[in-house]
Amino acid sequence: EIVLTQSPDTLSLSPGDRATLSCRASQSVTGGFLAWYQQTPGQAPRLLIYAASSRASGVPDRFSASGSGTDFTLTISRLEPEDFAVYYCQQYDNSPGWTFGQGTKVEIK
Amino acid sequence: QVQLQQSGPGLVKPSQTLSLTCAISGDSVSSSSAAWNWIRQSPSRGLEWLGRTYYRSKWYNDYAASVKSRITINPDTSKNQFSLQLNSVTPEDTAVYFCARGGTGARDWGQGTLVTVSS
Repeated sequence: EIVLTQSPDTLSLSPGDRATLSCRASQSVTGGFLAWYQQTPGQAPRLLIYAASSRASGVPDRFSASGSGTDFTLTISRLEPEDFAVYYCQQYDNSPGWTFGQGTKVEIK
Repeated sequence: QVQLQQSGPGLVKPSQTLSLTCAISGDSVSSSSAAWNWIRQSPSRGLEWLGRTYYRSKWYNDYAASVKSRITINPDTSKNQFSLQLNSVTPEDTAVYFCARGGTGARDWGQGTLVTVSS
C-alpha cells in the first residue's frame, strides 16, 4: 500500500499569500495517478487536481500542481478567503485501491 | 452532471451490520469508465477508502485489507445504485461514510452519512 505523507500539517497564512503544500509517497505513484482535494467543514472533498497537474472543471487557475514519482506539490498563488480549508492528496492507482494523505490545514494567520 | 444520493441509518448497534445505499443519477452503475467507491472519514483514521465495484464486461470488487473480511459492496442495476454492508461493527467504525464515483480522481461524491456505532 502506498502511504502518502503531507507537510506541513498546518499552514498559517494571510489572504493574498502564496501557499505551497507537499505530498510525499512511500513509493512511486505510477502513471501520475495523484489527485488533490479541498474540504471545508461538513462537506465532501472537492476534486481540484487530477493526474498530478490537471485542474478539474471549474477550479480557479490560482490552483496549480506539479510533481511525479514520489514528490508532489499543490500551490495556491494568492489565497482567497474561501481557500482556507483542509487539503488532501490521494493516489488512485488501480491496485490495491485509493489512499489519502493525512491532510494539510490552511488557516488564517 | 452526476449526482450521488446516500441513504441509510445513522445509528447501528455494536456487532450488527452497517448498511448504506448510494443512488446514482446522471450516469450508470454499469458504466465501463467508472468505478463506484465507498470511503469513510473519522478523526482517528482520516479519509479511508473501503472498496469499490465496477463493470468491465463483468462485475469486479476490490476491498481494503483493513475491512476485507467484513465488507460487501453490491451494484443494483435495476435501481441504478450500489450499496455498502459492513458486518460486525464496533465503535471504531463510527465515521462519516461517503460514496464517490471514481475515474480520473473522484469528481462526484455523495453528501456523507454520519454513522455512529453505539448501543
